[in-house]
Amino acid sequence: GAVVSQHPSRVICKSGTSVKIECRSLDFQATTMFWYRQFPKQSLMLMATSNEGSKATYEQGVEKDKFLINHASLTLSTLTVTSAHPEDSSFYICSAIRGGALETQYFGPGTRLLVL
Amino acid sequence: AQTVTQSQPEMSVQEAETVTLSCTYDTSENNYYLFWYKQPPSRQMILVIRQEAYKQQNATENRFSVNFQKAAKSFSLKISDSQLGDTAMYFCAFLTTDSWGKLQFGAGTQVVVTP
Repeated sequence: GAVVSQHPSRVICKSGTSVKIECRSLDFQATTMFWYRQFPKQSLMLMATSNEGSKATYEQGVEKDKFLINHASLTLSTLTVTSAHPEDSSFYICSAIRGGALETQYFGPGTRLLVL
Repeated sequence: AQTVTQSQPEMSVQEAETVTLSCTYDTSENNYYLFWYKQPPSRQMILVIRQEAYKQQNATENRFSVNFQKAAKSFSLKISDSQLGDTAMYFCAFLTTDSWGKLQFGAGTQVVVTP
């Protein structure tokens, strides 16, 4: 089956620093990837859609200058949380679409971010 | 705009018993997909079952089956012969064919399977 990885699985950083989270499709090419945020005991909230070779599309209310997304290749999308603050602490999940099958998403294992 | 509603925050079921999770959705679209995802304590999202709206037959995957009522916009999940490993958060999700893959998730239902 299709595998999506995320790195790191967990990260702790100091307030004011930037953190980069990688999302990779290991055995398929993903023209589209999604980034979600999930607070404890809550649902997944879509942050942005990442398309290879073009600018990401952000959902309403998501600060694009704070959450920088780069989809530089067909197997890698990165999310950089800039000038992180404690309120950015959350669980970040990526997903990838294989080929043109928009109805089939493969999820990464998630990254737990803790900002002190 | 589409909405997905899961009205049961938590459900408890004993091993080997059956539990049914409810999900309703609202849309004006005619072509769409419905999903149930499982998120165990590891927090890895796992696809449980998928239903295409144009199919009248209810989807089934081993112990998991759905009751899809298109007119009522209802999409419930039945877990039969519950196992301890079924303990997880279950999310109902909706996708239209023109949404470019954007899933709309419900709030989730925590299922606890007890011995």
